[in-house]
Amino acid sequence: QVQLQESGPGLVKPSQTLSLTCTVSGGSISSGSYSWSWIRRPAGKGLEWIGRAYTSGSTNYNPSLKSRVTISVDTSKNQFSLNLSSVTAADTAVYYCTRGGEIWGQGTLVTVSS
Amino acid sequence: QTVVTQEPSLTVSPGGTVTLTCASSTGAVTSGYYPNWFQQKPGQTPRALIFSTSNKHSWTPARFSGSLLGGKAALTLSGVQPEDEAEYYCLLYYGGAQPHWVFGGGTKLTVL
Repeated sequence: QVQLQESGPGLVKPSQTLSLTCTVSGGSISSGSYSWSWIRRPAGKGLEWIGRAYTSGSTNYNPSLKSRVTISVDTSKNQFSLNLSSVTAADTAVYYCTRGGEIWGQGTLVTVSS
Repeated sequence: QTVVTQEPSLTVSPGGTVTLTCASSTGAVTSGYYPNWFQQKPGQTPRALIFSTSNKHSWTPARFSGSLLGGKAALTLSGVQPEDEAEYYCLLYYGGAQPHWVFGGGTKLTVL
């Protein structure tokens, strides 16, 4: 069965770039026509959709984050990644990677602090 | 900025029925918004329940059902169980020049 696992720094300084990777196991990221998405949940708040990518290279982003977000898929490594630039404390959250909203990683807490 | 609105909290008795709704600031929710519903319990990962308005995943209990109701997406729980106490989030799709998805603010369901 397909499983997802997020990885990356748990602490990022303000104004820097948050970079996370989601590793797909138990199946190929290239099989099917799934979207590979990132979602986050700040403490005390609800879920926020960040964006999604396809293995074709097509991407869609949350309009409120669009200027700072890049999501990409690396089929050779069976991974997809999130880059969020110019972070502030408001970007502190648990970040989840998902396959089409159906399969989720366990989530990783990223804190933005100096 | 599109806003998706859910009831902040609802309370239901065990064995009862409750309907959660999901409204869009852009107008009536239709099947073209492909409503999804998720359940999240404290300390756990969100779990998908419903996709494309009313379709269930293989793991979705039969007591959960999705529909469109009065211009909103709706999630109905019939025969509520204590383990259904959780937060529920809807997710709507917005097409157009910049396709994107938007989560509702979530509904905290208490079973009491």
